[in-house]
Amino acid sequence: EAGVAQSPRYKIIEKRQSVAFWCNPISGHATLYWYQQILGQGPKLLIQFQNNGVVDDSQLPKDRFSAERLKGVDSTLKIQPAKLEDSAVYLCASSLGGLAGLSETQYFGPGTRLLVL
Amino acid sequence: EDKVVQSPLSLVVHEGDTVTLNCSYEVTNFRSLLWYKQEKKAPTFLFMLTSSGIEKKSGRLSSILDKKELFSILNITATQTGDSAIYLCAVQTGANNLFFGTGTRLTVIP
Repeated sequence: EAGVAQSPRYKIIEKRQSVAFWCNPISGHATLYWYQQILGQGPKLLIQFQNNGVVDDSQLPKDRFSAERLKGVDSTLKIQPAKLEDSAVYLCASSLGGLAGLSETQYFGPGTRLLVL
Repeated sequence: EDKVVQSPLSLVVHEGDTVTLNCSYEVTNFRSLLWYKQEKKAPTFLFMLTSSGIEKKSGRLSSILDKKELFSILNITATQTGDSAIYLCAVQTGANNLFFGTGTRLTVIP
């Protein structure tokens, strides 16, 4: 079974530029998550999708970050304009998204390492 | 405010040693606790714990949850250099969101 795919793996940009990351979840997984992991910290949830709808985006800095999952499969996360403090690894994860109330394992992609200069 | 605290922050041991990693939490709407291993890439899933006192075991790794005292431990016996990684503890709440600790960096010396 193919895992979660992400691209690019690395990106270096200057502050105030824009950047976009792509994620393709495990086939059949309805729930998709984007996390930000700053060096030395655990991943922090940015946004959670259930199919093409947003479940939780309370931690997403909406003035500069946006995400979409238009067809309920792959997703893009965009930062515009980027700041120095956005330097981090951006992880995408997916889970089955089955019955409400049941705990589900999230499976992570390899991440995109972003450096903002 | 939801909180997940891991200790120690880092640990250096010799091959063959046994280690215990700790995770304590204070969250609303607890659903489950998960352990992940993170090397240079994505976190890889180790265990999901939902019930107190039931040990989960996979090879040399084992974990247990205490929902009364709000903590979990991850044990690794007969450590190998391949166990060197960051071990992340996460608590699943609400709509299956994961709230992570900062991780424990384990280094196993040959």
